[in-house]
This record gives sequence, structure tokens and C-alpha cells, in this order.
Amino acid sequence: KNQVEQSPQSLIILEGKNCTLQCNYTVSPFSNLRWYKQDTGRGPVSLTIMTFSENTKSNGRYTATLDADTKQSSLHITASQLSDSASYICVVSLLSGGYNKLIFGAGTRLAVHP
Amino acid sequence: DAGVTQSPTHLIKTRGQHVTLRCSPISGHKSVSWYQQVLGQGPQFIFQYYEKEERGRGNFPDRFSARQFPNYSSELNVNALLLGDSALYLCASSPDPAYSNQPQHFGDGTRLSIL
Repeated sequence: KNQVEQSPQSLIILEGKNCTLQCNYTVSPFSNLRWYKQDTGRGPVSLTIMTFSENTKSNGRYTATLDADTKQSSLHITASQLSDSASYICVVSLLSGGYNKLIFGAGTRLAVHP
Repeated sequence: DAGVTQSPTHLIKTRGQHVTLRCSPISGHKSVSWYQQVLGQGPQFIFQYYEKEERGRGNFPDRFSARQFPNYSSELNVNALLLGDSALYLCASSPDPAYSNQPQHFGDGTRLSIL
């Protein structure tokens, strides 16, 4: 069964601190892995997309890693800001029947406190 | 350039009614996908359309249907509404689903509440 699991479910950190979110997946055939940020009441916004051959990809203070052998990914946030408070969703893409099927995790809810 | 726009932003219906949600993709994008996001969970795939044809369908009952128009906008229809249909319905657009490494751009969704 194609599944994406994220941990922790929720996280509270102080402004300026770093944090790492985890994603494990059992999706086949794997196409790529994406991290999205979803603010409350808004649609998800793409942070990174990584293919099978990419180990690391950065977008400002966000750095995603991918280990395709262990089927694990992480999202590291550096020097957190209050605006980082959001849900972070790990999404794995697979090609199915000629279209790109996205399997979403349940997300990690991050709260950054002053 | 405008992003993905969805209407209405909020909607309240009662059980048994039907609803139509609308989505306009980013200019130049020919593919539209629909997702259902229940509170506290990740989005679940409902449909994908490309060039006015259905390219993929998720595990949703036949009460859910959609179509894409010549201008690439799309409608999602849900009949015989159930309490469990209460959710945020998201629309996402991309240029061409054949290019798997393109990001999907999401609208801010329609919040549907069933009483």
C-alpha cells in the first residue's frame, strides 16, 4: 500500500532555533518527493522537489534531504521565524496510468513561539 | 500573474443537497487536480484533468464528478452530500502532468460545511 508517514505530529520550538521534520514512505514506483508548507486556511505551497538521484535540496532556510534506499526524507528549518508556524506536508509522487499521482502525508504542525 | 483561484471560499450545505465548486488555473496551465482535505489530515486525491479529459481518479464514490472546460477552468460536483463530505476542497494546477517534476500550484480552497 502506498503510504507516507510523518513525524512528529506536532512540534513547538522557540524563535531562532532549528528543527528537523521526518518523512518515511512506502510508495512505488517512486517519481519524486516534495515538501509543502500550508498556512492555516490556505493552500499548500511548494518548498522543494527532489528526484531519486538528489540527496539534498535547499530553499532559503529550508533544506530537504532524501535517502531513496531507506525511503526516508527530512526537512530541516534553520533559524526559525514566527512565520514558519504552519503545517509541513511530505508528498511522494508516482507515475500511475500516465499521470502524476501524489500521495500526501498527514503533515507536521509546527508552532514557533517568541 | 494571478494564482489558482477557487470559488466560493466558504459554503454551507445540508445533507442530501448537491454542490458545485469552481477553479481557475494559472494562465498557461492545462492540468487541474482536485483534492479533499479533512481537518487534521493531508489532502486526498479526487481527480486530475488535462486538456479537458480525465487523466486520473482517486478512491471517491460516484457522487463526486468533475469536468474541465476549453479555457482549462474546472468544476467539481458532489451530489447527495453527506456529513463526511465536510472538508477543505483544494484545486491545483500544473502545465502538463506528463512532466512529473513540476510543482503543483494550489488555490486556497473552498471550505465546505455540511449540516
